[in-house]
Parts: sequence; C-alpha cells; structure tokens
Amino acid sequence: GDSVTQMEGPVTLSEEAFLTINCTYTATGYPSLFWYVQYPGEGLQLLLKATKADDKGSNKGFEATYRKETTSFHLEKGSVQVSDSAVYFCALRSGNTPLVFGKGTRLSVIA
Amino acid sequence: DARVTQTPRHKVTEMGQEVTMRCQPILGHNTVFWYRQTMMQGLELLAYFRNRAPLDDSGMPKDRFSAEMPDATLATLKIQPSEPRDSAVYFCASGSNGGANYGYTFGSGTRLTVV
Repeated sequence: GDSVTQMEGPVTLSEEAFLTINCTYTATGYPSLFWYVQYPGEGLQLLLKATKADDKGSNKGFEATYRKETTSFHLEKGSVQVSDSAVYFCALRSGNTPLVFGKGTRLSVIA
Repeated sequence: DARVTQTPRHKVTEMGQEVTMRCQPILGHNTVFWYRQTMMQGLELLAYFRNRAPLDDSGMPKDRFSAEMPDATLATLKIQPSEPRDSAVYFCASGSNGGANYGYTFGSGTRLTVV
C-alpha cells in the first residue's frame, strides 16, 4: 500500500538556520502530496501541497517540490524562526482514499 | 475561518468507563475521519465516513470502539469499556471528496487519559 517515510527527529536548529526535512513516498499512481504542521496542543494544519510532478508548494516561507523521479517531497525553509517550532508531517493522498501520514518530525528552533 | 469542533478537549476517566468523543465537521464537508495519535504509533486512521455512511473502520478495535454519524453535523467516537492503552489524542478531520487534490481540516483533538 501507499506509504510515507520522513526523516526522524528531533531536529534542533538555531534561529535563521536553513531547514530541510526529508520525505519520500511509495504510491501506485500519481498521488497528491502534502505537508501538515502541528503546533503544541493543537490539531494538524495544512501547510502546503503539490498535486502533480514538478509542482512547488509554498506557504509562510516553506517550500516543497514534488519530485516524481526521486519520489520525494522535501520541506525547506531558508531562515527558521522560534515560532516554527512544531511537528511536521508529510502525507499523500491517492484519489479519494484517506491521507496517509508519515510519523512526523519534531523541529525545535532556539534563539 | 470554518473549523472542526471537537468536545471535550480533555477527558480523564477510569478504566472500564464509557467514553464518548464528539465532532462537528465543517458545514458542507461530506467526509469525516477519526485519527488517533500516540508517541509510539504516530497518526493512525481509525475510521471514516462519506455522506454519513461508514466506509472503513478497519483501524478500530471492534470489540470496544464504535463510530457513528447520527446526522451531518455530528460524528461520535465511543469507547466502551475504556482501557489504559486507549490513552491518546483523538482527532477528527473533515474534507470534501473532490479528489486527491484536497487535504483535510483537523479539529484540536480530545486528549484522553484512562487511569
């Protein structure tokens, strides 16, 4: 079945550092890809998405490019802030099936 | 902004007691999901409904869990009897079945502690 693999955390960065969180997927067909973010004590929020190969999703300074050749959707941000500290989930969806999530990567940004 | 509302936000109960969690999906969303989040397992899909009909509940322990949608504005997840291993955060999410392009909107979750 479909699956998502994320780099294990936690990831600890200093403010203004560059962030990459790796995500690869396995799917039959052509899924849509998503990044969700979960702040402490809250539910998941959609951060960005890409629906076809070579699409780039972006939001709040975060970006991810749908790479079909490497089955990847890595999340990047050029300069992280303390307020970006959260858990980040990569996910995919094929057709009308439910979202399949990775296990999440916890990011801590220190001032 | 439209939101998914879950109640209660926190619940502490004794082993063996019945627990009911409620979810009000976003108006117009026809698909509702129940997820459970734990440190060990991450996010697990328990069940989901489309147009109020259950489509898949294979993620739920059938002997103690049940999920229903009595109407389009309410989804419930019930555990009877509860056990300490059920301690987790339970999330409800809603979405439309517009196809793969659409993500879901999540509620803030119910944090359940069974002692």
